[in-house]
Amino acid sequence: GDSVTQMEGPVTLSEEAFLTINCTYTATGYPSLFWYVQYPGEGLQLLLKATKADDKGSNKGFEATYRKETTSFHLEKGSVQVSDSAVYFCALTIDGGSQGNLIFGKGTKLSVKP
Amino acid sequence: EAGVTQFPSHSVIEKGQTVTLRCDPISGHDNLYWYRRVMGKEIKFLLHFVKESKQDESGMPNNRFLAERTGGTYSTLKVQPAELEDSGVYFCASRGKRVNSPLHFGNGTRLTVT
Repeated sequence: GDSVTQMEGPVTLSEEAFLTINCTYTATGYPSLFWYVQYPGEGLQLLLKATKADDKGSNKGFEATYRKETTSFHLEKGSVQVSDSAVYFCALTIDGGSQGNLIFGKGTKLSVKP
Repeated sequence: EAGVTQFPSHSVIEKGQTVTLRCDPISGHDNLYWYRRVMGKEIKFLLHFVKESKQDESGMPNNRFLAERTGGTYSTLKVQPAELEDSGVYFCASRGKRVNSPLHFGNGTRLTVT
């Protein structure tokens, strides 16, 4: 069945370090791909998305490129800040991009130290 | 505009008891979703309402779980009787009618069954 696999955490970085969180997927058809973020004490928020191969989603300095050949959607940021500390979830949907019936990865907790 | 609100934020109950979780979606959002994250695992889809109708309840784990959405407004998720494995964080999300309208999540209800 459809699934998402993302790197296990927790990930601890120093401020201004480079961040990569790996995400790969298995899906029938052509999924839309998402990264969600959950800050402490808050709900999930959409961070970025890509709906077709080679699309790049970007927001708040984060980027991820939809790679069909490697079935990947790795999240990157060139210089993390303490305020980026959160849990990051990779997700996909195959229902035409409506985002409703999402399939999530297990989440990766990121801690950024000053 | 008010976001998706969930009540309570935390609930601790004993095995065999009943718990009812509530979700108030963003006003005017026809689509309402319930998700659950069991400790250390993926966030899993439970079900999807369109107004008061259940569009997809394929993720409901068993018949101890009952979801309702009276009048197409707020929704409740009742667990009766609760079991230890029901512990986790229950998220509600809503979105508008348009296909690519974004999904808005609540902060979740953390349920602990002892």
